This record gives sequence, C-alpha cells and structure tokens, in this order.
Amino acid sequence: EVQLVQSGAEVKKPGESLRISCQESGYNLNNYYISWVRQKPGKGLEWMGRIDPIDSKINYSPSFQGHVTISRDKSISKVYLQWRSLKASDTAMYYCARHPRGQSGHFDHWGQGTLVTVSS
Amino acid sequence: QLVLTQSPSASASLGASVKLTCTLSSEHSNYAIAWHQQQVEKGPRYLMKVNNDGSHTKGDGIPDRFSGSSSGAERYLIISSLQSDDEADYYCQTWDTGLYVFGSGTKVTVL
Repeated sequence: EVQLVQSGAEVKKPGESLRISCQESGYNLNNYYISWVRQKPGKGLEWMGRIDPIDSKINYSPSFQGHVTISRDKSISKVYLQWRSLKASDTAMYYCARHPRGQSGHFDHWGQGTLVTVSS
Repeated sequence: QLVLTQSPSASASLGASVKLTCTLSSEHSNYAIAWHQQQVEKGPRYLMKVNNDGSHTKGDGIPDRFSGSSSGAERYLIISSLQSDDEADYYCQTWDTGLYVFGSGTKVTVL
C-alpha cells in the first residue's frame, strides 16, 4: 500500500527553525518525485517545490525559492521541508505528494498534512 | 504563463449531477490536468487525470459516479448521483517542465 506519512503538528515562535518530514513507503521510490504543497487557512493549494528521487535535484516555485529548503534521506525514505527562520506568515498546513517521474505530473497520492503554527 | 481557471462555487441537489470546469491558459490548451477533492478539515485526495482527448484515469477506489471529459482548453469533472459527502472543494492541477500549478478551487454544495 502506498503511504506518505507526515510528521506531527508543530507550534513555533517567529525566528525559530523547523524541519518537517514525509515518510514514503509501499512503492518504488525511484519512480516518483515528491513535492511539497502549502495551504494557508481558508485558502487554496500552492506548489512549493519538488525533489528528484534519483539525483536529489530540487525545483522550487519562484514564490518559495530562498525561503524553504527541500531535502531527502534515501536511506530512511524520508523527504524534508525546512525553514531557517520562521515567520507568522508561514502558518499553514503543509502536504507532501508524490508524482511520477516522466511526462505526467499528476499528484496521485498525498500525505495527511502537517499543521505548522508560528506565533509569538 | 501556465494558468488554470475555476469557478468559485457550484451547487446541485442530492442525487443530481454537477459538472465542474477547469480552463487552461490558451497557449496550454492541449495539456492534461488532474482533479483533486478536499473535504472539510481533510487533506486532498486524487480523483483522476484527464487528458486532452477526454480520456481519464481514476485513482484507487474512486467511484464510477466520478468521470472526466475535455473540450478545447476546458477540462471537466462530472459527479453524478450526488451524495452528501461529495460536498467539498475540488482543485484542478497541471504541470510543465519543473513546474506545477493548481487552480483556485471550486466549492461544491449539495443542496
């Protein structure tokens, strides 16, 4: 069974750092990218960036380039989303999703989401 | 610029059908899209991929009540025999090389 299991909710203060994770299982990891998607309260879905399973090359949305870092640890099948200095505006639900390497980019499985709250 | 346009809301009665539209930017009118459902307080769920020719590939366990079609730059999601738990936000999504885009979502209300 394909599973993307995300780490639990976080409450942080502005300026703090944070890393959340997405654990992949149940499929050949080499065949799928992992992307991160942000959803602010009451708003729509925003693509943040993706990581390649083979060479760990990362493509960021211009809106998020420089604000977050995506990485992976292949040895434990985890993908990470990291902030060095959180802002209140980073308060949102964050989802990981997989999509196939190749021509089709449809997100066919989603994680359950990680709620990040940034408040002083 | 790759853009997807969706109407903010749609409604239909219990047991009826509803057709949602996702419009691709004109220069991308032959692109495939995917539809995702997001129920209240839940994460997104992949429904199907809809190709330019109207063929569609559904996700695991998606009922036959959900289908997709295409016309020009428009991609459709048709939900028949509406049920109360079909009340949700529906997002379309597309892609280009190293880029992924979501529509703004359509909120479906079941009357």
